[in-house]
Amino acid sequence: GDSVTQMEGPVTLSEEAFLTINCTYTATGYPSLFWYVQYPGEGLQLLLKATKADDKGSNKGFEATYRKETTSFHLEKGSVQVSDSAVYFCALTGGFYGNNRLAFGKGNQVVVIP
Amino acid sequence: DTEVTQTPKHLVMGMTNKKSLKCEQHMGHRAMYWYKQKAKKPPELMFVYSYEKLSINESVPSRFSPECPNSSLLNLHLHALQPEDSALYLCASSQEEGIQGAESEAFFGQGTRLTVV
Repeated sequence: GDSVTQMEGPVTLSEEAFLTINCTYTATGYPSLFWYVQYPGEGLQLLLKATKADDKGSNKGFEATYRKETTSFHLEKGSVQVSDSAVYFCALTGGFYGNNRLAFGKGNQVVVIP
Repeated sequence: DTEVTQTPKHLVMGMTNKKSLKCEQHMGHRAMYWYKQKAKKPPELMFVYSYEKLSINESVPSRFSPECPNSSLLNLHLHALQPEDSALYLCASSQEEGIQGAESEAFFGQGTRLTVV
């Protein structure tokens, strides 16, 4: 079935640092890719999405590009703020064998220190 | 309106209690979902409703009973839960089940944090 792999472990960085969270996927067909963010004590919010190869999703200074050749959808932000501290989930839907479900990565907790 | 509203926000219940979680959306979405999320883990799919009919049940114990009274509402009835059922329960909706491309986005509610004592 479809699956998403995120880099292991929490990410701790200083304010104004550059953030990268790696996400790779396994899926056949033409999945749509998403990054969801979960702030402490809250539900999931869609951060950005891309629905076809070479699409770039962007929102709130975050960007991710749908790379079919490397099956990746890495999340980047040039200058993080304390308010970006949250858990970030990469997800996909729409692969041929995914049964139309959202497949989530394990998530990465991001902690931004002032 | 792009909101999915869940009530209550917090719930504490005993193992012999019966309670219900409620979810509402007014985006005209025809697919609605229940997820269970444990701390520091991704959400796990429990149930999918498509056009008000149960489409997917991920082998969830019968002490969880979903209901979709109409296209805007989704309930989750709880009975005789165990302490290990304590978790964040998330409701989500999307335009349709199985849709691909730009309309495949799922919208999540804020969740109900359930504690079973």
